[in-house]
Amino acid sequence: SQTIHQWPATLVQPVGSPLSLECTVEGTSNPNLYWYRQAAGRGLQLLFYSVGIGQISSEVPQNLSASRPQDRQFILSSKKLLLSDSGFYLCAWSVGAGVAQDTQYFGPGTRLTVL
Amino acid sequence: AQKITQTQPGMFVQEKEAVTLDCTYDTSDPSYGLFWYKQPSSGEMIFLIYQGSYDQQNATEGRYSLNFQKARKSANLVISASQLGDSAMYFCAMRDMDSNYQLIWGAGTKLIIKP
Repeated sequence: SQTIHQWPATLVQPVGSPLSLECTVEGTSNPNLYWYRQAAGRGLQLLFYSVGIGQISSEVPQNLSASRPQDRQFILSSKKLLLSDSGFYLCAWSVGAGVAQDTQYFGPGTRLTVL
Repeated sequence: AQKITQTQPGMFVQEKEAVTLDCTYDTSDPSYGLFWYKQPSSGEMIFLIYQGSYDQQNATEGRYSLNFQKARKSANLVISASQLGDSAMYFCAMRDMDSNYQLIWGAGTKLIIKP
């Protein structure tokens, strides 16, 4: 069966510091991968998605970036964190069939607080 | 433009009662998919149920069922015999070709089950 891991689970960082969040998927090949952010009490905002190694699409302009160095690894980064980067970051994967029924499965999330 | 609307910010339901969470959507694409996710306080987003626009029958998964009314563009989640563990945020989401097969999310409904 497929599993998705995210780390760290919780992170407190000062403004201006760098960020690296990692997401890995097991039990599947060539998945679509997604990074979402969720502000407190709000819905999900898609940040990046990837359909293959080195292929990243950005949904919103921001000071975050994403990379996919390996098939089942997705990394979210920032060179300098802002207060507004605080939130709950969720990674997800899907088979990527390109059809309406392509269920996304989520990791446990990383709670980021920027002080 | 695609849109998902969840009109109930919060609901209180007595344990063992059935509960209906509302979701309406807007799309001009005849092929689309509708999803419901549960997010407990731990934060993980858990996939519950899927309904395709061409499905002839309402989807069911254990205690979860989807009341799909295509003409009204509504896809309400029904939870039968609610349990304390059902207390969580519930999100409705949609994917269609116009969204490039990315999920469009509702704002969520916070469900609290009372003992």
